[in-house]
Amino acid sequence: DAGITQSPRHKVTETGTPVTLRCHQTENHRYMYWYRQDPGHGLRLIHYSYGVKDTDKGEVSDGYSVSRSKTEDFLLTLESATSSQTSVYFCAISESIAGVYNEQFFGPGTRLTVL
Amino acid sequence: AQTVTQSQPEMSVQEAETVTLSCTYDTSESDYYLFWYKQPPSRQMILVIRQEAYKQQNATENRFSVNFQKAAKSFSLKISDSQLGDAAMYFCAYRRRGNSNYQLIWGAGTKLIIKP
Repeated sequence: DAGITQSPRHKVTETGTPVTLRCHQTENHRYMYWYRQDPGHGLRLIHYSYGVKDTDKGEVSDGYSVSRSKTEDFLLTLESATSSQTSVYFCAISESIAGVYNEQFFGPGTRLTVL
Repeated sequence: AQTVTQSQPEMSVQEAETVTLSCTYDTSESDYYLFWYKQPPSRQMILVIRQEAYKQQNATENRFSVNFQKAAKSFSLKISDSQLGDAAMYFCAYRRRGNSNYQLIWGAGTKLIIKP
């Protein structure tokens, strides 16, 4: 299994509070991703990173920010959590070698509940 | 824009039988990747099988195989000799080949139920 951990695994918070989720990898992969998963929507990309300090928005980035100061860590921050951000959050990593894309490997997920 | 459609929200199959999950996609690209991921109740997302569009041969992995119809933009997953451990959500995903910043496009998933 790819070495990807997410913390915390479960979190309950209140509307308006800041929340940070952490993704940590030991594979030294260049690309890291944050997704959210909601019933009926499959996976939706929030933000991704293609290197240290290099990040870009996905399709559902509003209300989220990210940071990547080290290859192994990718942080997702909800500046002021809302109930619509209640979801399961997945981190993923991938690598591209000689132009060949390798599939994404996923962390175990974080269940976030915003009351 | 590329899209991925899984038209079967839920499928059920008797244990030891064969089931096929459907996936269609829309793209104007000629070179791309297609994937099937499995998500059991543990929530862990697991890659089942991968297909490169330039390869005419259908990918297989043990009991899992695909029927890749490029002209029809269809990518179905066949599970043979279904086992109770196959019960999960199955997601189809597409990725354009080339620029490493291209993203995976996901279907909404199919829930597979295995009847003992």
